[in-house]
This record gives sequence, C-alpha cells and structure tokens, in this order.
Amino acid sequence: EVQLVESGGGLVQPGGSLRLSCAASGFTVSANYMSWVRQAPGKGLEWVSVLYSGGSTYYADSVKGRFTISRDNSKNTLHLQMDSLRAEDTAVYYCARGRPTDYWGQGTLVTVSS
Amino acid sequence: DIQMTQTPSTLSASVGDRVTITCRASQSISSWLAWYQQKPGKAPKFLIYKASSLESGVPSRFSGSGSGTEFTLTISSLQPDDFATYYCQQYNTYPWTFGQGTKVEIK
Repeated sequence: EVQLVESGGGLVQPGGSLRLSCAASGFTVSANYMSWVRQAPGKGLEWVSVLYSGGSTYYADSVKGRFTISRDNSKNTLHLQMDSLRAEDTAVYYCARGRPTDYWGQGTLVTVSS
Repeated sequence: DIQMTQTPSTLSASVGDRVTITCRASQSISSWLAWYQQKPGKAPKFLIYKASSLESGVPSRFSGSGSGTEFTLTISSLQPDDFATYYCQQYNTYPWTFGQGTKVEIK
C-alpha cells in the first residue's frame, strides 16, 4: 500500500528555515516524480516543486532560490529545505507522487510568524 | 505561467443532480489535465488524468472531457459523498498550475 507521511512543520519566524520530510512506503521515491504542493489557510492549491527520478528539479517562481527539494534514497524519503521564510509561505505542505500527482500525504502545517 | 480558470466558483445542487464544472486554460495544454476532489481538512483525492481517464477506484459517475483549452468534469448523479471542493490542474508546462476550485454545496 502506498503511503506518504510528512513531518517537520511548525512555527518559525520570518527569515527562518525549516526542513520538511516525507517518508514513503509501498513504492520507491527515486523511481518516481515527487512533488510538494501547498495550501494556505482557506485558499486553493499551489504547486511548489518537483523532483524527477533522473534528478532534475523545478520550482514555482514564488519559492525559487529559497526552497530546495531533495531525496534520501537510503531512507526512501523526500525533503523540502525552506530558507528565508516569509509570512506568505504559511500553509499546509503536502508531498505527492507522480505526474500527475496520484497519491498525497496528509500534510504538515508551516506557520511563519513573529 | 498558464492560468487555469474554473467556473462556477460555487455550485449548489441536490442529491441526484447532474453537475458540470468547467476549467479553461490560458493556452493549450493538449490533454494534460487532472481533476481532484478535496474535503475539509483532508488531502486532495486524485480523480481523473489526461483529461478523461478515470483513476482506478473512482466511481463511474465521474467523467472528464475536453482538450486544448477547455475541459469539463461531470458528475452524472450527485451523491452525498460528492459534496466537496474540486480542482483542475494542468501538468503540461512548469509551473504546474491549479484552478481556484469549485465548491459543490448542498442545495
């Protein structure tokens, strides 16, 4: 059974950093497209980043240069390093598999506030 | 970036109604369109890919159509479990973009 479990969310001050993790089971992260999608409170879905099986990465303009997507093949885990965080980055962050995204985790809440 | 526009934003309907949601892309995306259902506090659920292909396990009352710039999601007979928010997403070009969502409410 495919499962994705995010962790690492929390409260962080503007300008701070946070690293999200997404532990996968039932499939191999390195063999799939893997994405992060976020949803601000009461708002719609916003695609953030994707990591190809071959290693290529793409980012939304709103996070380019501040966020970095990566994976740990030994732990079958996807990561999102988030630096220079802003209030507008406050959202539930979901990891998801595939193109398009067929399986999603339950999400982890990131709150950027002083 | 490709803009995805869904209409209507809110839809009030009754159990048994036929419901249609439209999604328009600001430029052609061929058939690289997906549909998702989201309930409050839950992750989105994948429904349809390549505009009209039903994901395994999704009830056959859901169907999708369209290509190029205009797409529709149809629910042939609305069931109580279908009251939710629906999103379209293009995955033709980066950045992948979502429509703003259509909330299907009980009439």
